[in-house]
Amino acid sequence: EAAVTQSPRNKVAVTGGKVTLSCNQTNNHNNMYWYRQDTGHGLRLIHYSYGAGSTEKGDIPDGYKASRPSQENFSLILELATPSQTSVYFCASGDKGQGEAPLFGEGTRLSVL
Amino acid sequence: GDSVTQTEGQVTVSESKSLIINCTYSATSIGYPNLFWYVRYPGEGLQLLLKVITAGQKGSSRGFEATYNKEATSFHLQKASVQESDSAVYYCALSVGNMGYKLTFGTGTSLLVDP
Repeated sequence: EAAVTQSPRNKVAVTGGKVTLSCNQTNNHNNMYWYRQDTGHGLRLIHYSYGAGSTEKGDIPDGYKASRPSQENFSLILELATPSQTSVYFCASGDKGQGEAPLFGEGTRLSVL
Repeated sequence: GDSVTQTEGQVTVSESKSLIINCTYSATSIGYPNLFWYVRYPGEGLQLLLKVITAGQKGSSRGFEATYNKEATSFHLQKASVQESDSAVYYCALSVGNMGYKLTFGTGTSLLVDP
């Protein structure tokens, strides 16, 4: 069964600390995405990747890095976490093709205190 | 850039009544727009409800329908008779072209169905 798994599901971090959010997909999709979801903003794209070794900036990349070491794994890294990065983060995987609908994970709730 | 507008942030409907959630889009990127509705039920992740990639076509799922209206640049979500289990947040989304590209989301509409 197609799946996107995020870990951790919940995270509390301190301001200035480093946070790594992990995502694993078993769908053999080329593309992977990281979004954040905030009330009043919907989902906004942070970083995405076309395949292992590639990362691209999305619409709101500032303060975030991404890493795609393999087809299956895509991480989002907050080197110096700030309270403004408190949000729900969604990972997704998808493939190229007209009308392809990315498959989303269950989300990670991050609180930066 | 591309954008999606959902004008209602929150909607309350009585069970068995009809529903419409409005969605309009603007696609400036090169390529054909693809339109989606995603839903997030309480405590769950985001899941695809329906999609339409051809103008004039209608998509349907779980009693919900949406028609891709190219002239009006709209993709409104409708249901004839809602149930309490439909309470969720609904997101309209757009992608452009055939590269399986990134989605642009609306701000979401929270639906509460009164029993």
